[in-house]
Amino acid sequence: ETGVTQSPTHLIKTRGQQVTLRCSSQSGHNTVSWYQQALGQGPQFIFQYYREEENGRGNFPPRFSGLQFPNYSSELNVNALELDDSALYLCASSLRGGGETQYFGPGTRLLVL
Amino acid sequence: GIQVEQSPPDLILQEGANSTLRCNFSDSVNNLQWFHQNPWGQLINLFYIPSGTKQNGRLSATTVATERYSLLYISSSQTTDSGVYFCAVATGNQFYFGTGTSLTVIP
Repeated sequence: ETGVTQSPTHLIKTRGQQVTLRCSSQSGHNTVSWYQQALGQGPQFIFQYYREEENGRGNFPPRFSGLQFPNYSSELNVNALELDDSALYLCASSLRGGGETQYFGPGTRLLVL
Repeated sequence: GIQVEQSPPDLILQEGANSTLRCNFSDSVNNLQWFHQNPWGQLINLFYIPSGTKQNGRLSATTVATERYSLLYISSSQTTDSGVYFCAVATGNQFYFGTGTSLTVIP
């Protein structure tokens, strides 16, 4: 249904390393949002990208950064990984001006050791 | 940010029973969605419902924006309804999620 894909599905890193997660938005969508979901919690908004620019950011430090490409796909980069960064990372795409219904990808499970 | 509270936090139902899940939010919103998260983590859209009432099969939802709450009704529950149900609200670009209602439907 959603058409939103994410890669990789699972990832194991060690503390201090850097990681890049990828998201392909649903066809026709121009906005991508990233969320972090810790175990047992609801997703927390990291940031949103619209037309290749950051368009809103949640309460996350600068070591969380992102990119959006001309085809509206997106990357989430996390530097200097900490143990608490272990979580499910979700990407959602939407169409700005189209009611803003968000469609989520399957997520990337990141484990930091 | 907007506070989102969901109740009950946990719910166990016998197959065939009905249930009502509630979402309260602390400020005016221009977007409200209900999601079902399956055991594999996939968030599945149920309703986009910033106001009014919608129905889709055994599920229906009502949002009373002026009173800052939304209700999700599940009728004739099935074991496949098990999972976590999230309410998410937005004002502007940022979505705020509740902590969810964990539903277990037993045969």
